[in-house]
Amino acid sequence: EAGVAQSPRYKIIEKRQSVAFWCNPISGHATLYWYQQILGQGPKLLIQFQNNGVVDDSQLPKDRFSAERLKGVDSTLKIQPAKLEDSAVYLCASSSFPTGSGANVLTFGAGSRLTVL
Amino acid sequence: AQSVTQLDSQVPVFEEAPVELRCNYSSSVSVYLFWYVQYPNQGLQLLLKYLSGSTLVKGINGFEAEFNKSQTSFHLRKPSVHISDTAEYFCAVSEYQAGTALIFGKGTTLSVSS
Repeated sequence: EAGVAQSPRYKIIEKRQSVAFWCNPISGHATLYWYQQILGQGPKLLIQFQNNGVVDDSQLPKDRFSAERLKGVDSTLKIQPAKLEDSAVYLCASSSFPTGSGANVLTFGAGSRLTVL
Repeated sequence: AQSVTQLDSQVPVFEEAPVELRCNYSSSVSVYLFWYVQYPNQGLQLLLKYLSGSTLVKGINGFEAEFNKSQTSFHLRKPSVHISDTAEYFCAVSEYQAGTALIFGKGTTLSVSS
């Protein structure tokens, strides 16, 4: 089974510029997540989708971050304008929930590393 | 709401020594528990998970963890580590059958030297 695909793997931008990250989840997975992982910290949830609806975006800085999952498959996370503190790895994950065992087992992509100068 | 505390930020060990990475969680409801491993410049890979049943869970690469409900702990162990086990290890929790996202601890860096 193909894994979670993310691109680009690396991106360097200047502050106040914009950037977009793309994620393609495992085929058939209804639930998709974006996490932010700052160096030296654990991943923090930004947004959770189930199909093309938002389940939880309480920790998404909505003044600069936006995400969409059109057609309930792949997803895009955008940052505009970027700040220095947005430097992090952006991880996409997917799970088969609500189908399956009831447990929410996430499979992660390799991540997109953002450096804001 | 749930939270996870990983008690050690760094654990240095010698090759072939045993290791324990400690994890405590807090939750007012039943939970699922997970350990993920992250190698440099890679995403997170599932090591093992506790969903229900036996409290001793075996995972990949010879790792195991024990769920202790009374102590709200889920410590990760390996009897003999290899150089290749050097990585960041994350403990995570999610609410039972709710489909909520995983909440992660801050991670423990395991450094194995010869």
